[in-house]
Formats: sequence, C-alpha cells, structure tokens
Amino acid sequence: AQSVTQPDIHITVSEGASLELRCNYSYGATPYLFWYVQSPGQGLQLLLKYFSGDTLVQGIKGFEAEFKRSQSSFNLRKPSVHWSDAAEYFCAVGGGSQGNLIFGKGTKLSVKP
Amino acid sequence: DGGITQSPKYLFRKEGQNVTLSCEQNLNHDAMYWYRQDPGQGLRLIYYSQIVNDFQKGDIAEGYSVSREKKESFPLTVTSAQKNPTAFYLCASSIRDRANNEQFFGPGTRLTVL
Repeated sequence: AQSVTQPDIHITVSEGASLELRCNYSYGATPYLFWYVQSPGQGLQLLLKYFSGDTLVQGIKGFEAEFKRSQSSFNLRKPSVHWSDAAEYFCAVGGGSQGNLIFGKGTKLSVKP
Repeated sequence: DGGITQSPKYLFRKEGQNVTLSCEQNLNHDAMYWYRQDPGQGLRLIYYSQIVNDFQKGDIAEGYSVSREKKESFPLTVTSAQKNPTAFYLCASSIRDRANNEQFFGPGTRLTVL
C-alpha cells in the first residue's frame, strides 16, 4: 500500500537560513508527488508537484524539491527562509486506492527572527 | 475567481446532533473529496465522489454521510454516530480522480462538540 513518511514533526530554523524538509514514500509504480503548505486554520496550497521528467522541480514561493527514486525521497528545499514561511508542510503521493492523495502527517516549520 | 468555498468556518455541535458542512466549487471539477484533519495525524479520507449521484466511502466513513446531487456541491453530514467529531474538515476537488491530478482545497471548517 502507498504511504508517505515525514520523519520530522517540528523543525525550527532561523530566518535567512536554508531549509530541507524530508519526505519518503512507498509506492509500487512511478509516483506522483506533491508538496502542500497549510497556514494555521487554513486550507492547503500546492507548492509543487512531480510527475515525470526532470527530478528537480521548482515551485512557488522559492521552494524546490528533488525526486530521488533510489532513496524513495522527495525532499523540499528553500535556500533562504522567510518568517512568512512558518506553516505546516505536507508531502503527498497520488494513486490512493480511492483516487485520493495519501498524505504524510506533516512537518511544522517555525522560523526564528 | 474560481475556487472552493466551505461554510461555516466554525461550527459547534451538541452531543446527539447531526450537522452539515457545506462545500461548493466552481472549478468544473468532477471529483470531490472530504478529509478530516487532527493534530499530528495528517489528512484522512472520509468520502469521495467521482461524478454526480455517486460517492464512495474512504478510510474513516463511519458516522458520516454525503450527497452529490450537483456537480458543484458535496455536503458532508456529521451524524450523532460519529463518536469523536471534533476536528478540522477539509473539502477538495480535482479534474478527475487520477493519481496525477492536483487536488484543490477549500479553507476548511472547524467543528467542535460542546
């Protein structure tokens, strides 16, 4: 069965520092991978997605993610974090048995001034 | 602007009451979904619908019911049979229920049982 693991529940980084959020997936075929961001009390917004092709994917707000099939990973990165990036981040894989996305449990990002 | 709306934003329910959460989309999407979000649990699928007048149970459908009478609307009823309904509920839609289809999310409804 498909699954997504986000090993870090909570990460704190200083403003201006680089960021990497980890995501590992389990999927039998070529995965369709997504990163979403959620501000407190809000819905989810798509940051980026990977379907095929170039393994380095660019998204909105300066985020990027790299697909590594050998490691079953799809880590999210940003070179310089802004205070407004504080939110919860969810990795997801498409192809759930009901056509839905399978979500990880999320990583909460805090940004220190 | 196209998007998904959910109402109300906050909802309070007494023990034994049924309540209905609204979800409307004007994206002309065929597929719609309801997720439940609890702290530290990610999103869990409650129900989904691929076309009008058809819907299927997700992983945690017990105590919930839905209808899909119109393409634009997919209301969720939380019944008194749902023993622990306090949560954040998210509605989503996509063009089709395919693995590579991005899902668009509404702003959510926070339900609290008093």
